[in-house]
Amino acid sequence: AQSVTQLGSHVSVSEGALVLLRCNYSSSVPPYLFWYVQYPNQGLQLLLKYTSAATLVKGINGFEAEFKKSETSFHLTKPSAHMSDAAEYFCAVSHTGNQFYFGTGTSLTVIP
Amino acid sequence: DADVTQTPRNRITKTGKRIMLECSQTKGHDRMYWYRQDPGLGLRLIYYSFDVKDINKGEISDGYSVSRQAQAKFSLSLESAIPNQTALYFCATSERQTSYNEQFFGPGTRLTVL
Repeated sequence: AQSVTQLGSHVSVSEGALVLLRCNYSSSVPPYLFWYVQYPNQGLQLLLKYTSAATLVKGINGFEAEFKKSETSFHLTKPSAHMSDAAEYFCAVSHTGNQFYFGTGTSLTVIP
Repeated sequence: DADVTQTPRNRITKTGKRIMLECSQTKGHDRMYWYRQDPGLGLRLIYYSFDVKDINKGEISDGYSVSRQAQAKFSLSLESAIPNQTALYFCATSERQTSYNEQFFGPGTRLTVL
């Protein structure tokens, strides 16, 4: 069985501060992992994905995530938050690419 | 032009009505998906289709049906809408070829059932 847990449904950071959004997964086989972002009134768009190559994955808009097998984690980080980063973020897991299992989402607020 | 389009974008309907949500894509992808999004629950898979003749139930298919009219079109129907089907509905597509296909999402349809 596969599942994803996102710790913290709401995260607030000051502009310029570190962004850390947490994602832990459970999977019976090595997974593929994804982070998606959803801006208000829009669909989801891919930020980055882990596909068993490098464990540190760089995505768009300065985001990156590190796959840690020992911790079954795939946390999303950005060194310096920008106002435009305010959005909902979803972690997702798949092991075949056929079906995705999404976390419940983390709403990021950036405080000026 | 958007690669994945959904119509309508917003719909208000009454309990017991039949409603269809439509999804079209110009990406040439074989695989199409329907999800619903509810606050605090994330996205849950309703149905998915790997090609025109291959349709599969997802996690929450009860009360829904789908039709894959062509490679580019995948419709979701609510035969008799009920208020707890009020949600944001997303269509998504992905390629067949790679084993770690990312999904591409449409803009969503906001459905309200009164």
